[in-house]
Amino acid sequence: EVQLLESGGDLVQPGGSLRLSCAGFGFTFSSYAMTWVRQAPGKGLEWVSAIVASGGSTYYADSVNGRFTISRDNSKNTLYLQMHYLRAEDTAVYYCAMGLWGDYWGQGTLVTVSP
Amino acid sequence: DIQMTQSPSSLSASVGDRVTITCRASQGIRNDLGWFQQKPGKAPKRLIYAATTLQSGVPSRFSGSRSGTEFTLTISSLQPEDFATYYCLQHNTYPFTFGPGTKVDIK
Repeated sequence: EVQLLESGGDLVQPGGSLRLSCAGFGFTFSSYAMTWVRQAPGKGLEWVSAIVASGGSTYYADSVNGRFTISRDNSKNTLYLQMHYLRAEDTAVYYCAMGLWGDYWGQGTLVTVSP
Repeated sequence: DIQMTQSPSSLSASVGDRVTITCRASQGIRNDLGWFQQKPGKAPKRLIYAATTLQSGVPSRFSGSRSGTEFTLTISSLQPEDFATYYCLQHNTYPFTFGPGTKVDIK
């Protein structure tokens, strides 16, 4: 059974940094691209970033490009999202998903950006 | 960026009703579209991929179709567990983009 467990969400001040993690279980992690999607409170889904299986190519939404970095450690079956220069509008539940097409999703981790 | 519009933004329906939700892409995306269901406080769940292919384990009352840049999710006979918000996702061109969602609630 595929399981994705996100962690690292927290309350952070504007301008601060945070790193999210997503551990994958029940599938061959190194064979799949991975994706981050976020959802602000009461709002819709927003695609954030994706990384190919090897880690060799990464992609970002315009809203986070230059501030967020996606990476992965296939030896640890873990996906990361390093977030810098956080803004109030980055407040959201962050989900990781298996594949580029959102095959399976984790339960999410909450990031709150507030003074 | 490719824009996805979705209609309606919400609808009220009864159990047993046929429900249709539409997403339109601002440019051609071939069949590179998925449909997702999200219930309150839960993670999204994929229903359809490649525009028309049913995800394993998803009931056959769900179906997807495509006409050009217009994509449709149909629920043939709405069940109580289907009341949720539905999103489309284009994964043809980066950055990928979701539609704004359609909330289906009980009439």
